[in-house]
This record gives sequence, structure tokens and C-alpha cells, in this order.
Amino acid sequence: NAGVTQTPKFRVLKTGQSMTLLCAQDMNHEYMYWYRQDPGMGLRLIHYSVGEGTTAKGEVPDGYNVSRLKKQNFLLGLESAAPSQTSVYFCASSDQVRGLDSPLHFGNGTRLTVT
Amino acid sequence: GEDVEQSLFLSVREGDSSVINCTYTDSSSTYLYWYKQEPGAGLQLLTYIFSNMDMKQDQRLTVLLNKKDKHLSLRIADTQTGDSAIYFCAEGTGRRALTFGSGTRLQVQP
Repeated sequence: NAGVTQTPKFRVLKTGQSMTLLCAQDMNHEYMYWYRQDPGMGLRLIHYSVGEGTTAKGEVPDGYNVSRLKKQNFLLGLESAAPSQTSVYFCASSDQVRGLDSPLHFGNGTRLTVT
Repeated sequence: GEDVEQSLFLSVREGDSSVINCTYTDSSSTYLYWYKQEPGAGLQLLTYIFSNMDMKQDQRLTVLLNKKDKHLSLRIADTQTGDSAIYFCAEGTGRRALTFGSGTRLQVQP
């Protein structure tokens, strides 16, 4: 049972380059999330989705875009990477039983460095 | 807006009890969670408590909730070296995604 899978695990980008982080879940969860983790700042929500074809902004959405074309996948895009986007990115999913209060299942993270 | 605060570091000796504390600001929080993050991995759900409960016990873990003071704690009995990790508390109201604290790094010394 794979759970939540993130690809790639590591990436180094130059300032101004673009990339897409892929998240896939096999638990048939309705809700999916992208967080970033920075030292001393915990996890901050970038964007989330409550169902296929829907997305919503979180706490720190600027510089990122997302798409949820299929229920099992949630893509996070950086159009023009900046050094401030150096971080560890976590994808998570949850069922909708308790709505946005449902417990999250996390992937293992993508470590992104922007030089 | 909502805020969740944790101390950054805790060091204990193996066999002792660990108590990790968390405070939050949203008085309408419904569920409160504790997650564990081991090096190089994602967060794993440890336990949770509903806001109408004062305490929840799950084997070595005890969660205490003081709703009046908006204070949550996680007690780990007989702490082992395998408990060394970062522990995050998180809270939610059901109307927005969970808000996480900054994490407490627990170091267990043999």
C-alpha cells in the first residue's frame, strides 16, 4: 500500500527555472494539500483541493500554482523559481468524513533548492 | 488569524517521561492532533483529541487538553531512543485546513 507518493525526492533549480512537483495517492481521498516546511516555521499551507477539478489558496500561495485534473493526483507548479522557495515540500491527503478536520496522510517530501 | 505555538527543543533521558506542550489561539478548534516526523520522512499521525475531551490515553501516549487555556500537551511515558523525532501539534475547526505548530525536536539521551 503506497499511500501518498511524491516525485521527485530532490531537485536543484536555478533562479527563474520552472518545475512541477507530482503527488499521487491511492487511498481514494477527496482532499489533497501542499505544505512547505521551513526551519522554525512548521508547516505552512500553500494550496489545497477538496475534490477533482477544484483548488483553493492556503496561507502562502504566491509563486505557486496547482492542478487537480484527476482525483488521485495533485500537481504543484513553480513558474519562475526564487531562492525563497528553497524548502521541503510535503503533499498530504485526507478523506472527507470530518471535512477539513480529517487526519492527514503525508508523503515523504521533496527537498527543493533554488540557487 | 489562528496561531499554534510550541517550544523548539526538549531533551530527556531514556526511561524518563517527556512532556511536549502546545498552545493555540482559535477557541473554536474542534480536533487537535499530534504528528511525529522522523528524519527524512513525512509526518505520521500519532494521536488526536476531540475538543470536548480533557484527556486521551493510548498506550505510552497521554494527551491532555485544557480548552479554557487553549493548551495541549503530549506525554510520552518511558521515553525510548526511538522516540527521538520532531513532534508537531495541529488544530482545526472543520472550516479550514489544519494549522500546524513549528514542531518540537525531542532528543532522547541514553
